[in-house]
Amino acid sequence: AQKVTQAQTEISVVEKEDVTLDCVYETRDTTYYLFWYKQPPSGELVFLIRRNSFDEQNEISGRYSWNFQKSTSSFNFTITASQVVDSAVYFCALTGAGSYQLTFGKGTKLSVIP
Amino acid sequence: SAVISQKPSRDICQRGTSLTIQCQVDSQVTMMFWYRQQPGQSLTLIATANQGSEATYESGFVIDKFPISRPNLTFSTLTVSNMSPEDSSIYLCSVKTSGTDTQYFGPGTRLTVL
Repeated sequence: AQKVTQAQTEISVVEKEDVTLDCVYETRDTTYYLFWYKQPPSGELVFLIRRNSFDEQNEISGRYSWNFQKSTSSFNFTITASQVVDSAVYFCALTGAGSYQLTFGKGTKLSVIP
Repeated sequence: SAVISQKPSRDICQRGTSLTIQCQVDSQVTMMFWYRQQPGQSLTLIATANQGSEATYESGFVIDKFPISRPNLTFSTLTVSNMSPEDSSIYLCSVKTSGTDTQYFGPGTRLTVL
């Protein structure tokens, strides 16, 4: 069985602070994919990143960066110099290769205070 | 990625009635899915919409309550039948194209049942 744990339920930061959202996963698959999605108050789910299990390179996209560590089964997401527009619920998700089943974490609600 | 639209974007319904939600994609996709997100919760997969055949339902979801159609590769509907206040949720469709393990989500339908 697969499991995704986002231990942080809610986080509040002041604008321009850096913030890291934690994601820990469990899977028996040897090949799998990890995802981060953003859900702003409007309700849509916006795809941010996909990471393959065999690619442990960290990734940076603008103010966003992702740290994938297989040794600790973690896939953490850092926002640098946070902005009010970053306020949203962020979901980490996992699927096995060839599977359609997406296992979501419970989400972390990020509030960026001006 | 595919452009996904959903109708309606939101609705307020009376208990005992039914609502049909539409999901339209701008290109042919391999797989289409329906999810439910209850207030403050994570996403739960309802079913996989199969083109030309009956949908595949996840545990806890039944066809009588959530009938699904998928007449072609770009369109699907989800009906929420005999609604009760417990059905108040965001309903999201997602799509997956061949050759990718990423699911892209529609903007969601926010349903309130009184």
